[in-house]
Amino acid sequence: GAVVSQHPSRVICKSGTSVKIECRSLDFQATTMFWYRQFPKQSLMLMATSNEGSKATYEQGVEKDKFLINHASLTLSTLTVTSAHPEDSSFYICSASGQGVREQYFGPGTRLTVT
Amino acid sequence: QKEVEQDPGPLSVPEGAIVSLNCTYSNSAFQYFMWYRQYSRKGPELLMYTYSSGNKEDGRFTAQVDKSSKYISLFIRDSQPSDSATYLCAMLKTSGSRLTFGEGTQLTVNP
Repeated sequence: GAVVSQHPSRVICKSGTSVKIECRSLDFQATTMFWYRQFPKQSLMLMATSNEGSKATYEQGVEKDKFLINHASLTLSTLTVTSAHPEDSSFYICSASGQGVREQYFGPGTRLTVT
Repeated sequence: QKEVEQDPGPLSVPEGAIVSLNCTYSNSAFQYFMWYRQYSRKGPELLMYTYSSGNKEDGRFTAQVDKSSKYISLFIRDSQPSDSATYLCAMLKTSGSRLTFGEGTQLTVNP
């Protein structure tokens, strides 16, 4: 199957700072990338969808100025959590799909802890 | 009412058992069906992807889709302790790219 990587796998930051998470498709061109967050023992919650070269589409209730998404190339998308607070602590997972492909392939996730 | 219903379990079976995992859905617009496996603190891994009604087999895994009943299943034969994980069903509508997930079923296979 297609491979998606995320970096970092784990990050701890202080309240008020910003954190950037990278998502890369390693062996295919990802025309669409998705960002999710997942709380313990819960399913995935879609935050936003981004198409390469376009602005991201955010789900209702997700602050676009707080969660900045950039999808500048067909293999890379970034999520920046700005002015992070402890309530932003969560497991963030990206996924990607290629042109004309319905399946989404997920990255390994990034665990963010804001102290 | 949720669009996709999945029993969260937990489900515990002995090694070698046949496992049956199921999801029901209410919206006939769902046309594409996926099963993901998620180990603790990892991202979901795509196991099976199906479009039409019927069965699809891959090794020990069989995915079954019954669109008339709006019911999908994942069967795991000869289950192994390494199959212990959370299994998520996910669905896509004909138009759009937004996956709708079930809650996930937590499976434990005991040696």
